[in-house]
Amino acid sequence: GAGVSQSPSNKVTEKGKDVELRCDPISGHTALYWYRQRLGQGLEFLIYFQGNSAPDKSGLPSDRFSAERTGESVSTLTIQRTQQEDSAVYLCASSLLGVQYFGAGTRLSVL
Amino acid sequence: GESVGLHLPTLSVQEGDNSIINCAYSNSASDYFIWYKQESGKGPQFIIDIRSNMDKRQGQRVTVLLNKTVKHLSLQIAATQPGDSAVYFCAEARSNDYKLSFGAGTTVTVRA
Repeated sequence: GAGVSQSPSNKVTEKGKDVELRCDPISGHTALYWYRQRLGQGLEFLIYFQGNSAPDKSGLPSDRFSAERTGESVSTLTIQRTQQEDSAVYLCASSLLGVQYFGAGTRLSVL
Repeated sequence: GESVGLHLPTLSVQEGDNSIINCAYSNSASDYFIWYKQESGKGPQFIIDIRSNMDKRQGQRVTVLLNKTVKHLSLQIAATQPGDSAVYFCAEARSNDYKLSFGAGTTVTVRA
């Protein structure tokens, strides 16, 4: 069956530009999470969507980061006015209850 | 600081031997723990999970042990194979939201 799909797989952008990262969760999964992974480090929680509830944005590092989710489907993570410290792999995961299944991530490079 | 950490950043193991990867956590409110394997350029792959009402859980070639008294988690891999070479992460969460808090990871290298 289809897993979590993320696009693009790689994104190179210039400092100050906005970027949008997309996540297609596993069909039927009500929960969706975004994480950030800097080189050689563990994953940092960014934001969490559960059904139609208000998202938990407690992990977003600044107001330049935002995310949306359409129902229980696609999610988009937007980073405005990108900075070099935003360079990382952005991972999306979806779940029903408990185990989160991850996509392959989007590698963002800010020049 | 991090609420979850791993005792050793790297582990080298002979093919066929058993591997043990350790993890310490500090959040007493966590009641859900999970291990992931991550290969280069890929997303984390689920290995096994355990809830706080258990102290041991077994899967195929893997066992997770949970010691809540000392806030310690371990992953045992039996008969380690070259395909087990990867970075292993433990993570903790509360079951009200399952927001995972990850450690820095242990790199496992299997020697032929």
